[in-house]
Amino acid sequence: EAGVTQFPSHSVIEKGQTVTLRCDPISGHDNLYWYRRVMGKEIKFLLHFVKESKQDESGMPNNRFLAERTGGTYSTLKVQPAELEDSGVYFCASSQDRTGRDGYTFGSGTRLTVV
Amino acid sequence: QKEVEQDPGPLSVPEGAIVSLNCTYSNSAFQYFMWYRQYSRKGPELLMYTYSSGNKEDGRFTAQVDKSSKYISLFIRDSQPSDSATYLCAMKAAGNKLTFGGGTRVLVKP
Repeated sequence: EAGVTQFPSHSVIEKGQTVTLRCDPISGHDNLYWYRRVMGKEIKFLLHFVKESKQDESGMPNNRFLAERTGGTYSTLKVQPAELEDSGVYFCASSQDRTGRDGYTFGSGTRLTVV
Repeated sequence: QKEVEQDPGPLSVPEGAIVSLNCTYSNSAFQYFMWYRQYSRKGPELLMYTYSSGNKEDGRFTAQVDKSSKYISLFIRDSQPSDSATYLCAMKAAGNKLTFGGGTRVLVKP
């Protein structure tokens, strides 16, 4: 079974530019999550999709972040315009069980550097 | 104050020793508790998942939860150099949002 795939693995962009991160969850997993870790901080929740619907987006930091999951398969997270404080590692995770009782499978992350 | 506190380490032990890790939390709504292992440049990998007070064992790993003290632990027996990684505790309430500790770096020396 293929795991959660994220790309790019690393992105360096200038402040003010736009970046789009992509996540392919495990096939059949309706639940998809975005998390991020900024330097020196804990991994923090951004949002949760159930199929194509946003179940919880309480962790999205501001309206420069836009997440989509058209068709309920892969998801994208766009940052526009990027700021220096957006630098960090963005993780995607998926789960089959709505309660998360099967645990969450994480991807390897996208390391975003804004300069 | 952080919702989940975890000592960042590093924790250095000789091969074969028991590794003892722990987290404390303040939110009494947390019901589900997890331990993840994360190797450098990789994503967190689920090791243990528990939802009740007490012990849960899986191979060399034992997870303990004490809800009355808001304290969880992970023990790794017969530690190996391949266990060298960052260990993250995570927990959640009734919803699906995980709250992570900052992680503890563990180094197992041959």
